[in-house]
Amino acid sequence: RKEVEQDPGPFNVPEGATVAFNCTYSNSASQSFFWYRQDCRKEPKLLMSVYSSGNEDGRFTAQLNRASQYISLLIRDSKLSDSATYLCVVTPSNTGKLIFGQGTTLQVKP
Amino acid sequence: DVKVTQSSRYLVKRTGEKVFLECVQDMDHENMFWYRQDPGLGLRLIYFSYDVKMKEKGDIPEGYSVSREKKERFSLILESASTNQTSMYLCASSLRGAGGETQYFGPGTRLLVL
Repeated sequence: RKEVEQDPGPFNVPEGATVAFNCTYSNSASQSFFWYRQDCRKEPKLLMSVYSSGNEDGRFTAQLNRASQYISLLIRDSKLSDSATYLCVVTPSNTGKLIFGQGTTLQVKP
Repeated sequence: DVKVTQSSRYLVKRTGEKVFLECVQDMDHENMFWYRQDPGLGLRLIYFSYDVKMKEKGDIPEGYSVSREKKERFSLILESASTNQTSMYLCASSLRGAGGETQYFGPGTRLLVL
């Protein structure tokens, strides 16, 4: 079983739609959680951290459910520029190491 | 602004060649990492380093070695390149301690081994 699992998609949605991605992790001792974004043929970049109480950054909302070991990302009012691969990332300990999911691809259509 | 640079964007090498991939960061980060990224497999950690002259194996170190002689530079070495090492190679750096969960990536090197 992979340590971090995501549905690879692709998710094809129209502009303005709301879309949600989920991610599950296997290590219950995981400490920190993130969403990274990777544009086509570019490097990954941090999108947002995920906090236990849930957090929002503009149109993006991240949630963490420790009991069920899953993380979610909600994107409201999708824009064409949101088209990218979204990587779920978990830190298993205080080592600075990150465990990446394989990513979920989002394609927003006009 | 953090900057991580990699020596080449594209490389073509032949089987058996020794290959050097260089990575330099300008933010005085202690931690540096080498990943490879393949379709369907995501990013996999090859090696990482917490300090100069220190190195730790990641999840897939076989066929690779690394060198960290200076804090800002982390090199990945393919001793004898093989076709199954054709991949996208990404270098990253981060702070040690608080804030260290954020890794900053270089633009990547696409390596093709023929």
